[in-house]
Formats: sequence, C-alpha cells, structure tokens
Amino acid sequence: EADIYQTPRYLVIGTGKKITLECSQTMGHDKMYWYQQDPGMELHLIHYSYGVNSTEKGDLSSESTVSRIRTEHFPLTLESARPSHTSQYLCASSGGAITSGNTIYFGEGSWLTVV
Amino acid sequence: AQSVAQPEDQVNVAEGNPLTVKCTYSVSGNPYLFWYVQYPNRGLQFLLKYITGDNLVKGSYGFEAEFNKSQTSFHLKKPSALVSDSALYFCALGDTGGFKTIFGAGTRLFVKA
Repeated sequence: EADIYQTPRYLVIGTGKKITLECSQTMGHDKMYWYQQDPGMELHLIHYSYGVNSTEKGDLSSESTVSRIRTEHFPLTLESARPSHTSQYLCASSGGAITSGNTIYFGEGSWLTVV
Repeated sequence: AQSVAQPEDQVNVAEGNPLTVKCTYSVSGNPYLFWYVQYPNRGLQFLLKYITGDNLVKGSYGFEAEFNKSQTSFHLKKPSALVSDSALYFCALGDTGGFKTIFGAGTRLFVKA
C-alpha cells in the first residue's frame, strides 16, 4: 500500500499569491513526480526527480518550481499564481529495481483554484 | 518512439455484464504495462501490472488484464461489472530505463444499474 501525502487537498487563492504544495512519501522511493491534471482529463508530467538534489522538467511546460532536499519530500512552488494555474496537481513516487517495472504510486491530489 | 493509446473515451456497460477497457502500445523491446483507476476527486490507484510471464495478470478489485504481444494490446477486463467500478481508467507504459512512464488519455467507464 502506498504512503504518499499531499497538502493541502483543496486551496483557493488570489491571483499573484505565492503557494507551495507539499508532498511527502514514507516508502523511501528515490523517484518522485508532479503531474498536472484538469478534471477527468489526461495526466501531464510537469516535474520529476531521480533523487536528492536532482530535479528535471517534464513534458508539459510549467511556471512552477520544485526542490528535492530530502528523499521523502518534494514540494512544488508557484511564485505568482494565475487563474491559468487552476488545476489538480498529483504527486507520485516510485522505487525499487527496474525489473519490477517502476510502479508509480500517487497521492490524493491537491486541487488549486486561483481567483 | 514509445506510445500508449486508449481508443475509447467512454465505455458503457450494464451491471453484472463483463467489461473490457482497451489499451494498445508501441515499444521497442519488452513492455512494462500498467492499469490505474481514478475515482472522482482522488489520485490514481494502482490496479495491476505486466512485467513478464503469464499473459493474464490478476489485480485488485477483481480486475484482470490480458497481454497480447502479437496485437500489442493490454486490455483490462472484469467478468461482472459493479456500479462502483464507474471511474476513469488509465493504461500506462513503463520506460525500460525506469525513469518515465507514459500514460494513456484515459477511458471513462460507466456501469449502469
């Protein structure tokens, strides 16, 4: 069973505000990911990390930034939120041997609404 | 280039009937294939995966998937659908390097009572 936690689950903020979405996992996974998903739509990878001090941009360009100072923690920050950032953000992690298939486990998501 | 496709945006089935959600893939080499389910306002939950071995993979909640190498397909199946199975289903193709997984666009399953 996956143990990956996201806070806040729901957030409504004003345009121009700075926000940080928190993500923590207790499985010791080396790889972590952030996906963006509009309601009922496909997933878009926006950031990923192979391990501590490693971060990469994903397939979808995003104005957000991430950091990976600790294995278990992978926060996402928006310096100045805009209505176009309104979406669901899903944090995920994976680990273990490559031959196990790199199963990805997801948190419950953070719903961000920028007004 | 690797890719995964879910050809149906939506599947409708009556409760008690068998269900199939389709997935096809393209990859050089051996595929790692996954199915996930997403309920409203929730994250994705892992259902099952194919790495190697038996072509019929059993997973959570009574779901199973059939790997067919000649047809490059990995269809999700359940013998008897429940209303509670109504959700969004994602097929995914694992990168053999273990770094990036490609998700399909998703198929919405509606099970009618």
